Amino acid sequence: NAGVTQTPKFQVLKTGQSMTLQCAQDMNHNSMYWYRQDPGMGLRLIYYSASEGTTDKGEVPNGYNVSRLNKREFSLRLESAAPSQTSVYFCASSEETGSEQYFGPGTRLTVT
Amino acid sequence: KQEVTQIPAALSVPEGENLVLNCSFTDSAIYNLQWFRQDPGKGLTSLLLIQSSQREQTSGRLNASLDKSSGRSTLYIAASQPGDSATYLCAAVGAYKYIFGTGTRLKVLA
Repeated sequence: NAGVTQTPKFQVLKTGQSMTLQCAQDMNHNSMYWYRQDPGMGLRLIYYSASEGTTDKGEVPNGYNVSRLNKREFSLRLESAAPSQTSVYFCASSEETGSEQYFGPGTRLTVT
Repeated sequence: KQEVTQIPAALSVPEGENLVLNCSFTDSAIYNLQWFRQDPGKGLTSLLLIQSSQREQTSGRLNASLDKSSGRSTLYIAASQPGDSATYLCAAVGAYKYIFGTGTRLKVLA
């Protein structure tokens, strides 16, 4: 039981480049989430998916898109990376929205 | 709008001490309150989830309490150990939103 996995672990991008962060969970959870964590600002929700086939914006969605590929996988795409998107990105899942959340190990992204 | 505050931001204690970490939230209409631990460079590990109908939850040396009416939760760590050194975060859980505090960075000195 791997829990929540994320790839890649580290990434460096140049301004304007695009990339997709991958997330998968093997706990048969319905809900999945993407957060970013910045020093002094805590964790902020980017997008979430309450169930397969649905996605909704969180607190800071600008500059990001998501895809709930199936029940297991939830990807986050940066279409045109900006230095302000330098952060640590975490994926999480829960059985339902509002229930206990489980986090992946994170992706450290630097945009130069 | 829900806001979550954790005070103090940092804490150093000698090994063996019992300690309390505080979490305050502004909107009492929450589903749950969840406590996490985060080690440097790692993801968040769930410690305890207190449902809104509960007053406390226990796991080993950890005990978390919830007082919705006052907008407060505390995490009690008994007989602290150097391995407990980490950042502890709380999250106020609504229907779709998990609002996190910025954490208390704990250092337990051997």
